[in-house]
Amino acid sequence: KQEVTQIPAALSVPEGENLVLNCSFTDSAIYNLQWFRQDPGKGLTSLLLIQSSQREQTSGRLNASLDKSSGRSTLYIAASQPGDSATYLCAVTGNTPLVFGKGTRLSVIA
Amino acid sequence: KAGVTQTPRYLIKTRGQQVTLSCSPISGHRSVSWYQQTPGQGLQFLFEYFSETQRNKGNFPGRFSGRQFSNSRSEMNVSTLELGDSALYLCASSLVTSGDTQYFGPGTRLTVL
Repeated sequence: KQEVTQIPAALSVPEGENLVLNCSFTDSAIYNLQWFRQDPGKGLTSLLLIQSSQREQTSGRLNASLDKSSGRSTLYIAASQPGDSATYLCAVTGNTPLVFGKGTRLSVIA
Repeated sequence: KAGVTQTPRYLIKTRGQQVTLSCSPISGHRSVSWYQQTPGQGLQFLFEYFSETQRNKGNFPGRFSGRQFSNSRSEMNVSTLELGDSALYLCASSLVTSGDTQYFGPGTRLTVL
């Protein structure tokens, strides 16, 4: 059974700092991994999708990497801003639909 | 292009009642998935529909059911509501499979009293 873990559960950083969020999964037989952002009380916004054959994806200040063999992904956020404050979730899909981690709650302090 | 819409946004029901939630996917998307989000369990997969057929089902009791219509709109139904069914119910649409990029709606907040 696929399990996804995100560490840390919460993170507080000053504005302008670069930061890394971690995601690990137990079954490396995945099709892809997705990173989402969720604002309080809202739905999820897709940030990046990495296919299993890819090593990384970039969008603006965001860079996500995938190491399928070790069951790990990282989301790198450059030059963080207060507007980046949200919960970040990673999810993997393989033989089953999306399995989510419980997220990292990020606070960027101005 | 309009995003995923869910109605209603908020619902308050009492134990034993039933509820129907609706989801309209992005135009052209044929796959619709439903998720339950609670503080304790996080996001859990309920079911996935494609071309009016249930393709996958999560580990939820039979009180949870769903369907998809020919225009890809989907509904989920929860019968005999329990207090533990209080949650944010999220719908996501994707082009063909749940492995494609999923686009989520704003969710329906269900409170069971």
